[in-house]
Amino acid sequence: QQPVQSPQAVILREGEDAVINCSSSKALYSVHWYRQKHGEAPVFLMILLKGGEQKGHEKISASFNEKKQQSSLYLTASQLSYSGTYFCGTERRIQGAQKLVFGQGTRLTINP
Amino acid sequence: DGGITQSPKYLFRKEGQNVTLSCEQNLNHDAMYWYRQDPGQGLRLIYYSQIVNDFQKGDIAEGYSVSREKKESFPLTVTSAQKNPTAFYLCASSIFGTGDTEAFFGQGTRLTVV
Repeated sequence: QQPVQSPQAVILREGEDAVINCSSSKALYSVHWYRQKHGEAPVFLMILLKGGEQKGHEKISASFNEKKQQSSLYLTASQLSYSGTYFCGTERRIQGAQKLVFGQGTRLTINP
Repeated sequence: DGGITQSPKYLFRKEGQNVTLSCEQNLNHDAMYWYRQDPGQGLRLIYYSQIVNDFQKGDIAEGYSVSREKKESFPLTVTSAQKNPTAFYLCASSIFGTGDTEAFFGQGTRLTVV
């Protein structure tokens, strides 16, 4: 039931771009994206709802294709601060309950 | 300041013991969640709750139990039936029902079996 993320790890030089993908075998209500630094709590980046709207924050944006049950996170001109593990979370409504499950994560390393 | 607090930060358990991890939020959120994270792994859902006195099993509930007697509190008990409890445990909360519901995480409890 967990979404599947790809790739599992990415190593970039500062200024390069990256794409992280998230796919689910189940119909989705929404997709969340979070970043976690080592030993810390995940921090919210953005949420995408049904309707395919693309959202963005500075140089990080994401898209959600509900028909394909996929989402992608785009990091443009990466900065050192972007390093961390990125998780997508998929939300499903099951008998009125809100279930939020996460993928296995994508570790992003940005080198100077 | 509003937030979600987990305690303790570090916890050591002897084999065969039950331990309880605390999670408190003052965000007035209805939904609360418990996740387990193993080194280099993703977040796996243990239990979740939408309202007081109601909760559902997640994907890895065996060996764990929860209660939701108050809206702001969602403690997790790791029982002796959990064979491999060493992990990082994260609690989260969110507003329920609006659709645009960001989850807020606590700082986590690192549990080690000694």
